[in-house]
Amino acid sequence: GNSVTQMEGPVTLSEEAFLTINCTYTATGYPSLFWYVQYPGEGLQLLLKATKADDKGSNKGFEATYRKETTSFHLEKGSVQVSDSAVYFCALRTGGFKTIFGAGTRLFVKA
Amino acid sequence: NAGVTQTPKFQVLKTGQSMTLQCAQDMNHEYMSWYRQDPGMGLRLIHYSVGAGITDQGEVPNGYNVSRSTTEDFPLRLLSAAPSQTSVYFCASSSKGLAGPGELFFGEGSRLTVL
Repeated sequence: GNSVTQMEGPVTLSEEAFLTINCTYTATGYPSLFWYVQYPGEGLQLLLKATKADDKGSNKGFEATYRKETTSFHLEKGSVQVSDSAVYFCALRTGGFKTIFGAGTRLFVKA
Repeated sequence: NAGVTQTPKFQVLKTGQSMTLQCAQDMNHEYMSWYRQDPGMGLRLIHYSVGAGITDQGEVPNGYNVSRSTTEDFPLRLLSAAPSQTSVYFCASSSKGLAGPGELFFGEGSRLTVL
């Protein structure tokens, strides 16, 4: 079946450090891939997405590239801020509406 | 902009009690869904609907019922609450989109504790 695997957290970084959160997937067909972010006490919101191989999604300084050959969609940011502290979820959707989420990775950024 | 509205935000139940979590969206989205969020397990799909009158089961449907009588509303019913249903519940919706389904829009969540 379809599944998403994310690196376990928590990830703790100092402000201005480089961030990578790994995400790999298993899916039949050609899924769309997403990163959602959950700030404390809130619901999830879309951070970025990519709908086909080699697409790069980007938003708020975050980037992720859809790599079909390695079935990966790693999230990166060159310089994190305290305000980036949140839980990040990798997700996929194949056809239809159903979206499958990874377990989430909690990020703490220290000033 | 209301978006997706969930009520209640917090609820404590005793084992065996029943209750309904309400979800309403004002974006005219065709697709609505319920997820539960548990530590270390991410979000798991409980039930979903692709339009009024149409519902289907997700990964973890046991112990929950849904109905979709209108486009706007998608209530989740717990028939006989169990401690294993202690969780945070999220309702989400998305549009059909011209080029395929759009992004999911989430409510703020409902924290349920079953004693």
